[in-house]
Amino acid sequence: QVQLVQSGAEVKKPGASVKVSCKASGYTFTSYGISWVRQAPGQGLEWMGWISAYNGNTNYAQKLQGRVTMTTDTSTSTAYMELRSLRSDDTAVYYCARDLVAAAAPDAFDIWGQGTMVTVSS
Amino acid sequence: DIQMTQSPSSLSASVGDRVTITCQASQDISNYLNWYQQKPGKAPKLLIYDASNLETGVPSRFSGSGSGTDFTFTISSLQPEDIATYYCQQHDNLPLTFGGGTKVEIK
Repeated sequence: QVQLVQSGAEVKKPGASVKVSCKASGYTFTSYGISWVRQAPGQGLEWMGWISAYNGNTNYAQKLQGRVTMTTDTSTSTAYMELRSLRSDDTAVYYCARDLVAAAAPDAFDIWGQGTMVTVSS
Repeated sequence: DIQMTQSPSSLSASVGDRVTITCQASQDISNYLNWYQQKPGKAPKLLIYDASNLETGVPSRFSGSGSGTDFTFTISSLQPEDIATYYCQQHDNLPLTFGGGTKVEIK
């Protein structure tokens, strides 16, 4: 079945970096883009950015520009999200999510990973 | 950035009730509006895309309508398994943005 499986929970110190993986299966990985969405404890959803698994094009939320990098490895059908210079307010569950439509921009997300909890604490 | 304003932020209704949630965009987004359901500890689930299209496998008691800046999400007959937080999301412009969520509880 179509699924996205994410890497496990992380605990990081302020200033460190974290890299979360998202392994796709059950579909042609390069046909759909992947977005990353995060959710701080008890809060709503925040879109972080998007990567085309077809050509690697990216679009990041402006507030994260310079701290976030999204990549893909088509040989393993895996997407990655790296966030640097972590702060306490980066503590959140991080989700990867697949585009509903194979297109050049994100639209709706029909398949989600299970989420990865990233805790930033000294 | 396009701001998405959802209301109410929470509601309590009885099983079988009709439940309506609204979402207002800060500018015209045509019909580029999606609705998600999120249960505690779980990832969001897509229910409605492009304002009124029911995602495959989603029960027909869920529906959506609207265009431009004003949108409505309806549960025609609330069921116990519908207890969740519901979010709207626009995809007219980047960055994609979500509404603040509506928590639905059983009275």
